[in-house]
Amino acid sequence: GENVEQHPSTLSVQEGDSAVIKCTYSDSASNYFPWYKQELGKRPQLIIDIRSNVGEKKDQRIAVTLNKTAKHFSLHITETQPEDSAVYFCAASIRNTGNQFYFGTGTSLTVIP
Amino acid sequence: DSGVTQTPKHLITATGQRVTLRCSPRSGDLSVYWYQQSLDQGLQFLIQYYNGEERAKGNILERFSAQQFPDLHSELNLSSLELGDSALYFCASSVEDSGVQETQYFGPGTRLLVL
Repeated sequence: GENVEQHPSTLSVQEGDSAVIKCTYSDSASNYFPWYKQELGKRPQLIIDIRSNVGEKKDQRIAVTLNKTAKHFSLHITETQPEDSAVYFCAASIRNTGNQFYFGTGTSLTVIP
Repeated sequence: DSGVTQTPKHLITATGQRVTLRCSPRSGDLSVYWYQQSLDQGLQFLIQYYNGEERAKGNILERFSAQQFPDLHSELNLSSLELGDSALYFCASSVEDSGVQETQYFGPGTRLLVL
């Protein structure tokens, strides 16, 4: 099955700086890549997603890039704020008989005021 | 609020016992997914149901089983519980009917503690 690796596992940035989280996937058939934010004790919430027919997608301070050839995708957060502090998970999905998400192991982001 | 509900929020039980976790998907969603999140672990996919039928299986133990009912709510049954089963169990739902992958919306989770 699909294997998703995520780096770094922890990331600390100063408020106002940018944060970048990277994920790689193994199955070239993966074609949907969501990113989730999870605050302590809360549910994962979708923050942005990208499909394989698109190379980049932006939503205000958040952007995701996808390189299908290299099989990696990245989350970029600009002008970070303390409320961005959370665990971020990337995932990959292959459209076959189901819609199963393969999640990365998560990145704990701390934004220092 | 994602529209996905889970009960109970917390569950404390003893080793060897059996528990049932319940999930109601968002209105209109046909697919339900179950995930396990252990301490400092990522989200491990357990099983997916679509419109009452099992669609995909992940790393689900034989002691665990699930089903989806005609009203589309789902239950995850965990039996012969062990200490290592202590975790957050999330349910997610998606439409899963448009021919493309759909976003999964997560419920608030059930925190299970096995003593």
